Amino acid sequence: NAGVTQTPKFQVLKTGQSMTLQCAQDMNHEYMSWYRQDPGMGLRLIHYSVGAGITDQGEVPNGYNVSRSTTEDFPLRLLSAAPSQTSVYFCASSPRDSHYNEQFFGPGTRLTVL
Amino acid sequence: LAKTTQPISMDSYEGQEVNITCSHNNIATNDYITWYQQFPSQGPRFIIQGYKTKVTNEVASLFIPADRKSSTLSLPRVSLSDTAVYYCLVGDAAGNKLTFGGGTRVLVKP
Repeated sequence: NAGVTQTPKFQVLKTGQSMTLQCAQDMNHEYMSWYRQDPGMGLRLIHYSVGAGITDQGEVPNGYNVSRSTTEDFPLRLLSAAPSQTSVYFCASSPRDSHYNEQFFGPGTRLTVL
Repeated sequence: LAKTTQPISMDSYEGQEVNITCSHNNIATNDYITWYQQFPSQGPRFIIQGYKTKVTNEVASLFIPADRKSSTLSLPRVSLSDTAVYYCLVGDAAGNKLTFGGGTRVLVKP
């Protein structure tokens, strides 16, 4: 199993550009989530999904959209990038039998917005 | 949402036991307690999860008192490679808004 994969690993955007961060998992996990981690800080939840077709907002959802059309994929879209969105973005997935609390994280995407 | 509070940092020495306590005063009946480890430039990694009393696995123990308002992660005989940030996470079984706290930066010295 590849686990949780994220692409790209690094990305530089200009203010106002849009892009999609890709996340995929091959463990058939129901739960998937996106976090951002600013330098020296903890993780903040952006959006999450408990299954295909279901998404919900986390702590910091503004400026981001998600969709969950399949169990495997959970892309994160930045609508109009701002310098405040410079961060490392982690995607995670979790199986139902861990009460969704045992999350498997991807390697992260480092995003810089100029 | 159960808010968690952890010490910002702790120092230890190789071979010692490290205990990190997380406070979660407003934990709900159906909330679980999970601990993660994070190295620089990596995503967090699951260490252990519990609901009440004591849980032990091959790398750590988790102690949860009867009132469940706190939990303590115990790392036995730490090595230099245990230097990392440790996060306490309290979340319900439905996966609603699983929120990480600020984490505890553990430095293991030789």
